[in-house]
Amino acid sequence: SQQGEEDPQALSIQEGENATMNCSYKTSINNLQWYRQNSGRGLVHLILIRSNEREKHSGRLRVTLDTSKKSSSLLITASRAADTASYFCATAGILQGGSEKLVFGKGTKLTVNP
Amino acid sequence: DTGVSQDPRHKITKRGQNVTFRCDPISEHNRLYWYRQTLGQGPEFLTYFQNEAQLEKSRLLSDRFSAERPKGSFSTLEIQRTEQGDSAMYLCASSLGQGRGGRDIQYFGAGTRLSVL
Repeated sequence: SQQGEEDPQALSIQEGENATMNCSYKTSINNLQWYRQNSGRGLVHLILIRSNEREKHSGRLRVTLDTSKKSSSLLITASRAADTASYFCATAGILQGGSEKLVFGKGTKLTVNP
Repeated sequence: DTGVSQDPRHKITKRGQNVTFRCDPISEHNRLYWYRQTLGQGPEFLTYFQNEAQLEKSRLLSDRFSAERPKGSFSTLEIQRTEQGDSAMYLCASSLGQGRGGRDIQYFGAGTRLSVL
């Protein structure tokens, strides 16, 4: 079963605009991660935010986390056509040996029109 | 290219046949994961290795599925007697294994897309 739910399911914007995607989750977390997936390809790690952090930046990406609402948002500023992809949030379930399995939502499909 | 490598990229097979996929992780990574992704969904965890030991298996991994990592390097995922419901993208990921708490980022391969006719 999937932990996160991204919203919206699909988003279409013009190049230069900002894109905001939201993620809600159900259980308490240690951290939340965002990944990008280009069509038919593997996932690329974008950013990780820990449960004691409220906001994190990386280049044109800004992630917020509200643990009281069990939600996170990913903002991409000044979008480019190359940002066209699906974006997934993932929470972590602990595995034996100390590793974590990622539990993904269904993703938001972002289209940036030139 | 020093990323996670998966082979083949695409596999088309007939129902009932066996298929095997290979994953070569990033060389110094001791943790390896398999996920399955169906159309319109996010990836779902299948199994996990730390070195050569398979430490966890999802209930999604039926008896027809087997995974190995014989020398703690590359891994194989075999599906026996394939069914149409096995059609999916099979993703492999690896991580360095620096403990817990989000200090262990998983790096994904491009995946193997399986189509069962």
